[in-house]
Amino acid sequence: GAVVSQHPSWVICKSGTSVKIECRSLDFQATTMFWYRQFPKQSLMLMATSNEGSKATYEQGVEKDKFLINHASLTLSTLTVTSAHPEDSSFYICSAVSGGASEAFFGQGTRLTVV
Amino acid sequence: GENVEQHPSTLSVQEGDSAVIKCTYSDSASNYFPWYKQELGKRPQLIIDIRSNVGEKKDQRIAVTLNKTAKHFSLHITETQPEDSAVYFCAASKARGSQGNLIFGKGTKLSVKP
Repeated sequence: GAVVSQHPSWVICKSGTSVKIECRSLDFQATTMFWYRQFPKQSLMLMATSNEGSKATYEQGVEKDKFLINHASLTLSTLTVTSAHPEDSSFYICSAVSGGASEAFFGQGTRLTVV
Repeated sequence: GENVEQHPSTLSVQEGDSAVIKCTYSDSASNYFPWYKQELGKRPQLIIDIRSNVGEKKDQRIAVTLNKTAKHFSLHITETQPEDSAVYFCAASKARGSQGNLIFGKGTKLSVKP
C-alpha cells in the first residue's frame, strides 16, 4: 500500500509554545489529507480536511486559529498547534487519500505532550 | 452530518471462536465503509472495506456485510487468533470518485484468549 510518513513521532513542548507536525505522502500524490486526534482508548476524531492549495475545512468545535493547517503541495500537509496547553496533549494522526480512491492511508501518528 | 455507532466497545473471545462487530450509520448517502485495525500505539491499518453496491465481501478469515436499507454493516472474524487482538474501527464516508472524509465509530477492543 501507499506510504504516509508523519513527523515527529513524539514531541514534548512547554505551555505557550507552538508545535508543527508534518504529514507526507511518500509515493503518491494526495490532493486531500485528513487530520485526526485520538485520546487514550478512544476513537479517531476528525479535526479537519486539508485540500492542496486551499483552506482547510474544520470540523465543528475545532478552533482553526488554534490548529493551523497548511497543505502547500500534493505530498505535504502540516498541522501547527499554536500556544499549546496541557489539554492539547494527545495523539495526532494524519491520513491521505490517493487520487480517485477512497482508501485512506495513515501516518504513524504524533504523540504530543504539553508540560 | 454522518454519525457512526459501533458495538460492542469490548469483545473477548476464545481462540478459534468467531467475533462479530457491528456498526450503524446515519447518512444514507454514505457509500464506502472500511474497517481498520489499530494495535497499541500504532497507526490504523485497513483490513477490509465494502462499497454500497456490494452486500458482502470476504477475505480469508475476515468478512464484511452491508445492509443499506437498515444502514448497518458488520465485521466478521472467524477462527480468531491471539494476533487478532487489537482495536477495530469501522468508518463511513461519501466518497464519489473524489476523496471523502472518514467518520469513525468509537472502536471495539477485541481480546482473543489463547
